[in-house]
Amino acid sequence: QQQVKQSPQSLIVQKGGISIINCAYENTAFDYFPWYQQFPGKGPALLIAIRPDVSEKKEGRFTISFNKSAKQFSLHIMDSQPGDSATYFCAPITQGGSEKLVFGKGTKLTVNP
Amino acid sequence: DTGVSQDPRHKITKRGQNVTFRCDPISEHNRLYWYRQTLGQGPEFLTYFQNEAQLEKSRLLSDRFSAERPKGSFSTLEIQRTEQGDSAMYLCASSLAPALPNEQFFGPGTRLTVL
Repeated sequence: QQQVKQSPQSLIVQKGGISIINCAYENTAFDYFPWYQQFPGKGPALLIAIRPDVSEKKEGRFTISFNKSAKQFSLHIMDSQPGDSATYFCAPITQGGSEKLVFGKGTKLTVNP
Repeated sequence: DTGVSQDPRHKITKRGQNVTFRCDPISEHNRLYWYRQTLGQGPEFLTYFQNEAQLEKSRLLSDRFSAERPKGSFSTLEIQRTEQGDSAMYLCASSLAPALPNEQFFGPGTRLTVL
């Protein structure tokens, strides 16, 4: 897990605000960059992912920004809603081979109504 | 529900006992992964199977741990002589390979408490 550093550990935003979570990685062999969302008592679920040949990907209110030279990628949640309250993990992988997910420590997001 | 299922959802055991968990993946998925998640941490990879073959094991998987996927369908994870440090959520995930991207679908996990 030291390969992936995620920040902040926790984040509190008001409904309608923007949530930003950052992930820095060391392993240059990573070539696929997903974010997973986990609700209490549930397993993680894929939220959005990006390939390294693009710098940004948007799906609805969720956007990934990717900076290959800085070895960083971030998740932006626009118009944050109370239902977005969950723990978010970056989990880059190296495609081919096991393709095991290498998770960050997670960011607990709380969106207040 | 055609998602990944795990059984049991919760297990409480005493130190030194053996425990076994089961994972049923999505039926057409040929890959099955086991991860362990401790409180406040992200999941950590333990092992994975491609069909019935166990292709990689993490150094986290000590000799007390064994995993099987006998017919390339469900999988079991056994922990022998449990220790308090084994207390964690054990997550199973499945995927279809080769596929780009290789999206892993997680089950709800088995929470193990070792007293």
